[in-house]
Amino acid sequence: DGGITQSPKYLFRKEGQNVTLSCEQNLNHDAMYWYRQDPGQGLRLIYYSQIVNDFQKGDIAEGYSVSREKKESFPLTVTSAQKNPTAFYLCASSMRTSPYEQYFGPGTRLTVT
Amino acid sequence: GENVEQHPSTLSVQEGDSAVIKCTYSDSASNYFPWYKQELGKGPQLIIDIRSNVGEKKDQRIAVTLNKTAKHFSLHITETQPEDSAVYFCAATYTSGTYKYIFGTGTRLKVLA
Repeated sequence: DGGITQSPKYLFRKEGQNVTLSCEQNLNHDAMYWYRQDPGQGLRLIYYSQIVNDFQKGDIAEGYSVSREKKESFPLTVTSAQKNPTAFYLCASSMRTSPYEQYFGPGTRLTVT
Repeated sequence: GENVEQHPSTLSVQEGDSAVIKCTYSDSASNYFPWYKQELGKGPQLIIDIRSNVGEKKDQRIAVTLNKTAKHFSLHITETQPEDSAVYFCAATYTSGTYKYIFGTGTRLKVLA
C-alpha cells in the first residue's frame, strides 16, 4: 500500500530532552511538510522540503529542526528550545508536478512533561 | 498577514439534511482551496479541492463553491450520514506558485441519527 507513515503514534518525553519524530512516504513525492496541530486551531507549518537536501522554515520553526537526506524520509526533531512542545504533529507530502494536493500521515501525539 | 476564517466552529444537523461550512481568505493571489476531513486521532484526509479558475466542483454528495470577488469558498454536504461526523478544515495557498497553505480553524460537524 502506498502512503505516509509516522511513528510512533504516541510519544512521551521529559522536559529538556530532544525527541525525533519519524515520517516516511512511498508515494514517490518530492515535497514533504511538517505541521503542528493544537486543540481548536488549524494546522500550522513548521518546515517543508521541496527536494532532497533542501528545506525551508515555515511559520513556527523555532525550536524544531529537520533533515532531508532521502526522498522518502523527513524526520522532525523537537528540541528542548521549543517552549510548548506538547501537540499533535502531522507530516504531509505532495508531488512536485502537482504541488497543491498534500496528503497527510496519521500523526504523532507528543506529550512533554 | 494572510489568514483564513472558517465558520461555524461547530455544526449539528439531522441525518439526511445538508451542511454548509464557509471560509473567507485574505490573499487575493491564493489560487488553490482544498478541504480536509479529520476523524478523531487521525490525519486529515483530502476530500475535495477547487482551483481559482473554477466556480464550483462536485463529487457525489460533496460540493465546493468559490467566489473570487468576495474571497470566500464553501463546502456543501448533502444527504448527511453519521459517518460524515468529523472536523472539517478549509485551506488556501499563501500566494500563487507556493506550496504553502493557510488553514482555517476547523468545523466540528455532528450528524444526528
